[in-house]
Amino acid sequence: GENVEQHPSTLSVQEGDSAVIKCTYSDSASNYFPWYKQELGKGPQLIIDIRSNVGEKKDQRIAVTLNKTAKHFSLHITETQPEDSAVYFCAASISSGSARQLTFGSGTQLTVLP
Amino acid sequence: EAGVAQSPRYKIIEKRQSVAFWCNPISGHATLYWYQQILGQGPKLLIQFQNNGVVDDSQLPKDRFSAERLKGVDSTLKIQPAKLEDSAVYLCASSLQGSYEQYFGPGTRLTVT
Repeated sequence: GENVEQHPSTLSVQEGDSAVIKCTYSDSASNYFPWYKQELGKGPQLIIDIRSNVGEKKDQRIAVTLNKTAKHFSLHITETQPEDSAVYFCAASISSGSARQLTFGSGTQLTVLP
Repeated sequence: EAGVAQSPRYKIIEKRQSVAFWCNPISGHATLYWYQQILGQGPKLLIQFQNNGVVDDSQLPKDRFSAERLKGVDSTLKIQPAKLEDSAVYLCASSLQGSYEQYFGPGTRLTVT
């Protein structure tokens, strides 16, 4: 089955700096790569996603890049703010018919220091 | 638009007892998922429903876990009997039929003592 590895497990940055989180996946059939933000006591919130036919996608301060050849994708957050502090999860999805199994990474605890 | 609703938010039970969790997906979302999230880990898919049919339950421990979605809307996940290692947050997610985007509820935190 699919295996997703995520690094780093913890990341501290100064407010205003950039943060980068990296993930690798094992199954070349994966075709959808979402990123979720999870705050304490809440469910994961979808913040950005990318399909396998796209190399980069940006939404305001958040961007995601995908390298299909190397089977890795990254989340970039610019101009970080204290409210960006949370656990971030990457995931990869293989679709088979109507099945959409998401395999998650182990998470990155991002702390933005004021 | 209302999000995915789950109840209860917290549950504490003793091992060998049974427990049930309820989920109401976003209106119009035909696909519903149950995930298990152990502390410090990413969510792990347990089961996926499309309307009231099971699409994927390959990772559901069927000797103790069961789930149903009888009318294609609400769903319940049951554990019987519970074990200590079942302590986790149980998340429900939903999506439009055929869509990749999954939207999660707040989860139910289960503690088995």
